[in-house]
Amino acid sequence: QSVLTQPPSVSGAPGQRVTISCTGSDSNIGAGHDVHWYQHFPGTAPKLLIHGDTNRPSGVPDRFSGSKSGTSASLAITGLQAEDEADYYCQSYDISLSGSDVVFGGGTKLTVV
Amino acid sequence: QVQLAQSGAEVKKPGASVKVSCKASGYSLTDYYLHWVRQAPGQGLEWMGWINPSSGGTRYAQKFKGRVTMTRDTSMNTATMELSGLRSNDTAMFFCARKTAGRGFDYWGQGTLVIVS
Repeated sequence: QSVLTQPPSVSGAPGQRVTISCTGSDSNIGAGHDVHWYQHFPGTAPKLLIHGDTNRPSGVPDRFSGSKSGTSASLAITGLQAEDEADYYCQSYDISLSGSDVVFGGGTKLTVV
Repeated sequence: QVQLAQSGAEVKKPGASVKVSCKASGYSLTDYYLHWVRQAPGQGLEWMGWINPSSGGTRYAQKFKGRVTMTRDTSMNTATMELSGLRSNDTAMFFCARKTAGRGFDYWGQGTLVIVS
């Protein structure tokens, strides 16, 4: 059971817009900690897609955007393309008495139908 | 350019230990925390812990405490993760990843497949 909750799968047609949610709690996203998003093609290294809730690294198309509100964050992909079919993970930090741990969502498989 | 090059695939018997190395190039290992993440077959990404290559300090995920050891060799610009007491459900791809403050994991190793059988 992941600390951050994502839908197992989402799908959309080429050109459409899809969103992937990432729900946490007051000890992670709700505490104001950064949310980062990664795109992962199985068998390869994950790729940083969004950092610091809303920021795109150089080279990431502006079709990808991130947002955050309260204890949740979202990744939106507009103008869906076949090459976007991949697994997407959100990541944040969870605070406990012993310190801060990295936490991932369970991942969402995006299918472009 | 920044690269993290990991050691090759391993096949281990249950109860054995495995060491996975991660050699950094294009930057000094001591300038950024280095994390380890694993992905079991059909599962999601799972954080294992980090090492501060500058001080050698570490923090491990509760799940792996007592079984994982992260070290570094600054002269070789290399970090190493050792997992002991291997079980079949430790079969996974292991990744090292550089963390930049405020930017998450911006560079990843190519992954090392460890099979426990």
